Amino acid sequence: DVKVTQSSRYLVKRTGEKVFLECVQDMDHENMFWYRQDPGLGLRLIYFSYDVKMKEKGDIPEGYSVSREKKERFSLILESASTNQTSMYLCASSGQGFHYGYTFGSGTRLTVV
Amino acid sequence: RKEVEQDPGPFNVPEGATVAFNCTYSNSASQSFFWYRQDCRKEPKLLMSVYSSGNEDGRFTAQLNRASQYISLLIRDSKLSDSATYLCVVTLSGNTPLVFGKGTRLSVIA
Repeated sequence: DVKVTQSSRYLVKRTGEKVFLECVQDMDHENMFWYRQDPGLGLRLIYFSYDVKMKEKGDIPEGYSVSREKKERFSLILESASTNQTSMYLCASSGQGFHYGYTFGSGTRLTVV
Repeated sequence: RKEVEQDPGPFNVPEGATVAFNCTYSNSASQSFFWYRQDCRKEPKLLMSVYSSGNEDGRFTAQLNRASQYISLLIRDSKLSDSATYLCVVTLSGNTPLVFGKGTRLSVIA
């Protein structure tokens, strides 16, 4: 069964900490994405990558960075966590051409205190 | 104007009912369309793609009206297990990210 795996289901971090969220896919997909999902706001795109070492800003990149050193791994980094970054973070991947749809990971619920 | 708009619901329907969800999108250049399903506290999962000719998968029928920039999802003979949030999803082309609506919540009641 193909999978997108996010390293943590739940995380609690302190304000100001540097936070790493890891995502690994085993489908040899070119494209990977990070979204956050908040009640009433839906899914919002933070960053995406269509190749190793490539990255593109999504709709809400402020306060985040990403790293894609290997095809299967896409990391989201919160440089200095703040309480307004408390959210559900969802990683997804897709093959060539985004119109094939995404496979999502099970999400990381991050709480910043 | 929001790119993808959906009625948030909730839609509360009895088992066996037929229910329809609608979605409008703002960019007439959009090329690909999908419905995703998201269960409570779970990730979204692809339910079906939406084609111009309309398509059916069991009890689910999806329709696309490009002239009106409108997508619909019809669920016949609703089951308790259909209770979820249904996300309307659009993309401009094969190389632009998917844009998600905020979802329509469905509760099927026994």
